[in-house]
Amino acid sequence: AQSVSQHNHHVILSEAASLELGCNYSYGGTVNLFWYVQYPGQHLQLLLKYFSGDPLVKGIKGFEAEFIKSKFSFNLRKPSVQWSDTAEYFCAVTSHNTDKLIFGTGTRLQVFP
Amino acid sequence: DAGVIQSPRHEVTEMGQEVTLRCKPISGHDYLFWYRQTMMRGLELLIYFNNNVPIDDSGMPEDRFSAKMPNASFSTLKIQPSEPRDSAVYFCASSLTGTSGRELFFGEGSRLTVL
Repeated sequence: AQSVSQHNHHVILSEAASLELGCNYSYGGTVNLFWYVQYPGQHLQLLLKYFSGDPLVKGIKGFEAEFIKSKFSFNLRKPSVQWSDTAEYFCAVTSHNTDKLIFGTGTRLQVFP
Repeated sequence: DAGVIQSPRHEVTEMGQEVTLRCKPISGHDYLFWYRQTMMRGLELLIYFNNNVPIDDSGMPEDRFSAKMPNASFSTLKIQPSEPRDSAVYFCASSLTGTSGRELFFGEGSRLTVL
């Protein structure tokens, strides 16, 4: 069965610091990968997604993620965070032979001014 | 465009009562998903439908939970009887076959508290 691991449960940063959130998945076949963001009190929104092609994916608000197939990883990065990036971030995976989107447990990011 | 609409936004009930959560997916979307979010377990997929047909309900915790989708624009998730451990935020999401991948569009969620 597919699974997603997010090892950072809670990250605290100051504004302008760089961010990297880890995501690893377990599935041997072709996958689609996603990062969703949930701002306080809001619903989940898509941040970026990878289906094929360039393994470096750029999303909204300056976020990017790199798919490293050999490491089964899809880490999220941002060179300089802002206070408004305070949110919970979820990595998710699905494969071509299923309609299920499986989420990681999430990483709570707090950015202080 | 209207997004996924869920009701109620908040529900407080007593143990043993029946709870019904409602969802209206985005018009034209043919997939509908119900997720439950808790601090301990994160986002869990409960059940999903394709063209109103339940495809996988393996995530439904037990027989107290049931979900229906009588038509393309409406789905319900029912808990009967409710228990305190059912307290969570329940999200509905929809998606469209044929778009570039399984991007889900989520509703605002229904926060359930069972006392």
